[in-house]
Amino acid sequence: GNSVTQMEGPVTLSEEAFLTINCTYTATGYPSLFWYVQYPGEGLQLLLKATKADDKGSNKGFEATYRKETTSFHLEKGSVQVSDSAVYFCALRDTGRRALTFGSGTRLQVQP
Amino acid sequence: EAGVTQFPSHSVIEKGQTVTLRCDPISGHDNLYWYRRVMGKEIKFLLHFVKESKQDESGMPNNRFLAERTGGTYSTLKVQPAELEDSGVYFCASSPRWDGGAADTQYFGPGTRLTVL
Repeated sequence: GNSVTQMEGPVTLSEEAFLTINCTYTATGYPSLFWYVQYPGEGLQLLLKATKADDKGSNKGFEATYRKETTSFHLEKGSVQVSDSAVYFCALRDTGRRALTFGSGTRLQVQP
Repeated sequence: EAGVTQFPSHSVIEKGQTVTLRCDPISGHDNLYWYRRVMGKEIKFLLHFVKESKQDESGMPNNRFLAERTGGTYSTLKVQPAELEDSGVYFCASSPRWDGGAADTQYFGPGTRLTVL
């Protein structure tokens, strides 16, 4: 079956540090890949997405590249801010299905 | 445009009681999904409505869970009777009518935190 594996958190960084949150996946088809973010007290928001191999999704300074050869979709940001503190979820949607399969989430804490 | 709303935001009940969660999707969205996150683990899919029809209910854990979407607007998820392992955060999401594209986006509500004592 489908699965998503994320690095365990929490990840604690100082402001302006470089961020990487690893995400790898297993899927039977050709999935679309997503990163969602949940800020404190809020719902999940779509951060970025990629629908085919080698696509790069980007938003708010965050980037992730769909790597089919390594079945990965790692999230990166060059310089984090305190306001980026949140829980980040990697997810996939496999071919022919509408349901999302999520990873367990990674909590990011950015200190001033 | 209003987002996905869920009610209540928190619910604390005792084992054996009944709880009903409500989700109001974004107006005009045909697709409605229920997910839950238990004990800080991964968010798991429960079921998917297209308008008032259940399209996929493969994630429903057992027959104590009943979801409805009468009239194809809001949806309710009833847990009866509730068990301790049902505690978690229940998310609802909606998306527009699917055009076959791979980049269909689901819009999530803030979730209902359910605690069963």
